Amino acid sequence: DVKVTQSSRYLVKRTGEKVFLECVQDMDHENMFWYRQDPGLGLRLIYFSYDVKMKEKGDIPEGYSVSREKKERFSLILESASTNQTSMYLCASIPEGHSGNTIYFGEGSWLTVV
Amino acid sequence: DQQVKQNSPSLSVQEGRISILNCDYTNSMFDYFLWYKKYPAEGPTFLISISSIKDKNEDGRFTVFLNKSAKHLSLHIVPSQPGDSAVYFCAASARDDMRFGAGTRLTVKP
Repeated sequence: DVKVTQSSRYLVKRTGEKVFLECVQDMDHENMFWYRQDPGLGLRLIYFSYDVKMKEKGDIPEGYSVSREKKERFSLILESASTNQTSMYLCASIPEGHSGNTIYFGEGSWLTVV
Repeated sequence: DQQVKQNSPSLSVQEGRISILNCDYTNSMFDYFLWYKKYPAEGPTFLISISSIKDKNEDGRFTVFLNKSAKHLSLHIVPSQPGDSAVYFCAASARDDMRFGAGTRLTVKP
């Protein structure tokens, strides 16, 4: 069974803390994505990566960075967490040349910054 | 600026009637369009998709229509069922990129 695993489901962090959200996929997919979901704003793309060590900014990259040292792992980093980064974060992966129905999502990470 | 827009945040229909969810996009490079359904506390699940070379795709009660000249797509659910109540996200895809709309919350009343 294919899987995208987000290591932390629920986190509470303090303002200014550094936060790591980890995502691992076991399907050998080239493309990986980080989205955040907020009420009324839907799924907004933060960063994506189409290969190891490659990254591209999405719609809302400010305040975030990413790391893709290995194909299966895509990490989202909040260098200095702020309260407006309280959200639900979704990781996704897609194989090269996807047909759309092969995107796989993780279960989500709920981050609260206090 | 959002490249994929769903201008209706919510929609309520009666069981058995048609639900029509709309989506607009701005980037002409998108070549694949998808609808996802999401229940609370779960990740989105794939519903139906359409390639830019088609204008209609049907799967059971779900039909997606694409109007490329208008950069508009819609999802029709006929007949609507209470179990269809969820948030529906429209997505548009290029080769290495995928963008989502803000979602429309569909409520199907018994």
